[in-house]
Amino acid sequence: GAVVSQHPSRVICKSGTSVKIECRSLDFQATTMFWYRQFPKQSLMLMATSNEGSKATYEQGVEKDKFLINHASLTLSTLTVTSAHPEDSSFYICSASRAHGNTIYFGEGSWLTVV
Amino acid sequence: EDQVTQSPEALRLQEGESSSLNCSYTVSGLRGLFWYRQDPGKGPEFLFTLYSAGEEKEKERLKATLTKKESFLHITAPKPEDSATYLCAVQALGGGSQGNLIFGKGTKLSVKP
Repeated sequence: GAVVSQHPSRVICKSGTSVKIECRSLDFQATTMFWYRQFPKQSLMLMATSNEGSKATYEQGVEKDKFLINHASLTLSTLTVTSAHPEDSSFYICSASRAHGNTIYFGEGSWLTVV
Repeated sequence: EDQVTQSPEALRLQEGESSSLNCSYTVSGLRGLFWYRQDPGKGPEFLFTLYSAGEEKEKERLKATLTKKESFLHITAPKPEDSATYLCAVQALGGGSQGNLIFGKGTKLSVKP
């Protein structure tokens, strides 16, 4: 079964509004989680690294004020897309790994459509 | 610059027709190479991790191998349910937090009955 869960799996929001996506590790603690986005027929692009209890680290070109990341506990990270625009429509995926392991598990992904 | 290149971009096979997918990589130091399967509209599903040249891992009809420059994913007697996009990713030594993967663009596999 899934070890990393995302919610919601699909969301539609109006342009200018904010939307939150949750990523949970189901049976392990993840001090670090990662957020990716994937456009159709493209590979996964890392957006940011989410660290429990500290600020997220963003990749070059990713606006930290637009994509707010909160990693408030060892099992939950959230990505909030603020003031969403149609070009933010994409497939957002999170990943996490166990503290003492190297297998990296991905969530099921969240489809965001901004209209 | 760390880089991952997968080939071919797309592969069509008949059921039972074995083949291989390639993943070439350039990385300053390899911590691990990962293979994932991704179905349309879904997150990647973990298949294998390889750590050192010469290592091999198998799972059902899939077998992954690793050299110092590339990895192969061999598919033996594929079935239609093996149709998916197969992603290869590398994790570099010392290059950020554990879990920072560099992905290839994937190989889209279609297996016809």
